[in-house]
Amino acid sequence: DSGVTQTPKHLITATGQRVTLRCSPRSGDLSVYWYQQSLDQGLQFLIQYYNGEERAKGNILERFSAQQFPDLHSELNLSSLELGDSALYFCASSTPNNYGYTFGSGTRLTVV
Amino acid sequence: AQSVTQPDIHITVSEGASLELRCNYSYGATPYLFWYVQSPGQGLQLLLKYFSGDTLVQGIKGFEAEFKRSQSSFNLRKPSVHWSDAAEYFCAVGAMGTGGFKTIFGAGTRLFVKA
Repeated sequence: DSGVTQTPKHLITATGQRVTLRCSPRSGDLSVYWYQQSLDQGLQFLIQYYNGEERAKGNILERFSAQQFPDLHSELNLSSLELGDSALYFCASSTPNNYGYTFGSGTRLTVV
Repeated sequence: AQSVTQPDIHITVSEGASLELRCNYSYGATPYLFWYVQSPGQGLQLLLKYFSGDTLVQGIKGFEAEFKRSQSSFNLRKPSVHWSDAAEYFCAVGAMGTGGFKTIFGAGTRLFVKA
């Protein structure tokens, strides 16, 4: 157990639908990062939050959004889902000035 | 912007043999360098990291990596591979920018271990 909790572990949904992925960071970590991992694109950085505020954006589609709540958990919202959104979505957390990440075990999203 | 290249998509080694996984990075200044391992169905786990100081870094599970500035490399090594080391290994480079600290991951090298 890495200390980063992601739910659900698996999600199957239809095209056009909307889903929410949840992440609880390791205790004491203020930063949360979201990554998408697929066979053809590898590990792609989506977005980072630090203590409730958006800090950095990567290759995140406009159909995707995220937020970090006062208790530091984060949610990634994926809407108007397409087949190509099928992937593993990872959340990672880190403490200030410690740039190594602790990853959760991921959410496997399958869009049918 | 930083980038990282892992030239080998997959590598097969015999159990007990030594291992070296290659990683080359591109960044103007001294980057933060990392190696992560991902077992099937799992998230990534940090093996080791280099920020500054001694260029030979020791990590968990018996792994080490050496930073070579002249070659822009940060290769991962292990003297004797165990079957449980079969996994995918990711090199990553991080740097502080205007938007905060960003980490870019390589495409990964899948390690197969044969008996």
